[in-house]
Amino acid sequence: ETGVTQSPTHLIKTRGQQVTLRCSSQSGHNTVSWYQQALGQGPQFIFQYYREEENGRGNFPPRFSGLQFPNYSSELNVNALELDDSALYLCASSYRGNYEQYFGPGTRLTVT
Amino acid sequence: RKEVEQDPGPFNVPEGATVAFNCTYSNSASQSFFWYRQDCRKEPKLLMSVYSSGNEDGRFTAQLNRASQYISLLIRDSKLSDSATYLCVVNPHTGNQFYFGTGTSLTVIP
Repeated sequence: ETGVTQSPTHLIKTRGQQVTLRCSSQSGHNTVSWYQQALGQGPQFIFQYYREEENGRGNFPPRFSGLQFPNYSSELNVNALELDDSALYLCASSYRGNYEQYFGPGTRLTVT
Repeated sequence: RKEVEQDPGPFNVPEGATVAFNCTYSNSASQSFFWYRQDCRKEPKLLMSVYSSGNEDGRFTAQLNRASQYISLLIRDSKLSDSATYLCVVNPHTGNQFYFGTGTSLTVIP
């Protein structure tokens, strides 16, 4: 069984730039959720994707957007990066109807 | 008011001790509850789901109190390897949003 994978591991961007983060879900899982975790905080829900559509969204502005592909992998796109976007971005996959989520290792984004 | 609140600790306990964490949630309609463990600079890992009847997995016991809207995690016979941050997670099933607490830091001392 393949676990959740994310790429890249680390990323440094400049304020105002755009970034795309990628996630491959665990085999057998059809739902992907994205989280932002700032230092010393718990993960904050960004959104969830199921059947290639956004299926729930947290309190994040529209410059945070996503995609899910037919193979259930997903992308998180962030436009117009701000310094406060610096965080660990986590992807979690699950099987629809089963609320247990499994996380990938995360992408650590630094915005300078 | 935050959806989920946890005492951030830190909890520093000797090996072999019993330690308990509590977590309160604000949405009485919440349906699913979990404890995750997160090691420093790593991803959260599912420790256990929390069922209404309570559940036990080895040295770990989780309880849910719907009337008082809190969940608890009890760790018996603490090991050095239990040192981590423990995250409480609640899902009300509306909006598919999972709410995480800020985590409780545990250090088990030799």
